Amino acid sequence: ETGVTQTPRHLVMGMTNKKSLKCEQHLGHNAMYWYKQSAKKPLELMFVYSLEERVENNSVPSRFSPECPNSSHLFLHLHTLQPEDSALYLCASSQDTTATYEQYFGPGTRLTVT
Amino acid sequence: GDSVTQMEGPVTLSEEAFLTINCTYTATGYPSLFWYVQYPGEGLQLLLKATKADDKGSNKGFEATYRKETTSFHLEKGSVQVSDSAVYFCALITFQGAQKLVFGQGTRLTINP
Repeated sequence: ETGVTQTPRHLVMGMTNKKSLKCEQHLGHNAMYWYKQSAKKPLELMFVYSLEERVENNSVPSRFSPECPNSSHLFLHLHTLQPEDSALYLCASSQDTTATYEQYFGPGTRLTVT
Repeated sequence: GDSVTQMEGPVTLSEEAFLTINCTYTATGYPSLFWYVQYPGEGLQLLLKATKADDKGSNKGFEATYRKETTSFHLEKGSVQVSDSAVYFCALITFQGAQKLVFGQGTRLTINP
């Protein structure tokens, strides 16, 4: 138990659906992250939030839309996804983004796009 | 840009064997280095870290030493157990506006009884 929870753990959606992934951290951290883990590729950083402000957007397609309403919650809104978006989506948090604080990861949401 | 290269997997060993997973990095400046482990069906957990040259990180019998001269951070364990079966990721932290973890591709380790 890392103090970072993600829901749902598994999600199957069609290409025309809209769904959201949720992440919550109970560590009092100020920074939160979304990563994508695809088969046979290194983990890819998607978004970084610090104190609810987005500070990094790694050329992610607009069909992925993050939201950070407060420092404990992070969402990833999904719409009109493609089959190649099927992956494990990991959320992480750290004390902040300005020093070498380790990141704590949630268990991930396994997304399948049909 | 900054990058991490890990030895190709998968790696299969017998219980009580000696383990080495190689990791080398390319970075500007002096990054902090990490090993993360991912057990089946779970997210990543921090295994150990080192923040400066010659530091040795250790946890659960695993060790890794930050070698600036060879830009390496190899993971070792003297006697592996079946419960060590997992995917291991080497990573570094870089700062480009905000903290960014750069991961290697991961090495799948299977320990047979």
